[in-house]
Amino acid sequence: KQEVTQIPAALSVPEGENLVLNCSFTDSAIYNLQWFRQDPGKGLTSLLLIQSSQREQTSGRLNASLDKSSGRSTLYIAASQPGDSATYLCAVYSRDTGRRALTFGSGTRLQVQP
Amino acid sequence: GAVVSQHPSRVICKSGTSVKIECRSLDFQATTMFWYRQFPKQSLMLMATSNEGSKATYEQGVEKDKFLINHASLTLSTLTVTSAHPEDSSFYICSARDTPGGAEAFFGQGTRLTVV
Repeated sequence: KQEVTQIPAALSVPEGENLVLNCSFTDSAIYNLQWFRQDPGKGLTSLLLIQSSQREQTSGRLNASLDKSSGRSTLYIAASQPGDSATYLCAVYSRDTGRRALTFGSGTRLQVQP
Repeated sequence: GAVVSQHPSRVICKSGTSVKIECRSLDFQATTMFWYRQFPKQSLMLMATSNEGSKATYEQGVEKDKFLINHASLTLSTLTVTSAHPEDSSFYICSARDTPGGAEAFFGQGTRLTVV
């Protein structure tokens, strides 16, 4: 059974810092991995999707990498801003037979101090 | 990207009543939709997979008679929480892929259910 772990659980940084969020998964047989942002009491905003054949994806100040063989992904946020404060979730789309839902990590709660 | 709309965004109900949550795919057809639940400060846990025209598939530990799922059309799935109790208070969110084998999952806005 796929398990997804995110470290750290919470992070507080001053504005302008570059930071890295970590995600690990136990079963490397995946189709893809997605990073999401969730604001308090809100739904999910998809940030980046990395296919299993890809090594990284970039969108603006965000860069996500994937090392499928070791079961790891990182989300790099450059020049953090207070508006980046949110919970960041990673989720994997596993190749489990018949299961097409995502398996989520527990998230990293990010606070960027002005 | 594709749009999934969920309604209502927030609902308060009394214990013992039932609440229906709708999930619609606005610009694509979804043969399968997924329902997740999120307790405070916890991650999303899959409750069930909703299949158009057939019975939903429930995850272990999720009571199918309590969480009724209907997927009567290719654009609409509903989750009904029956005989709600305070412990059912949670954030419920649905998801769909814009093609059956689609890579990206799109999510609704979520529904905050409070049972008093």
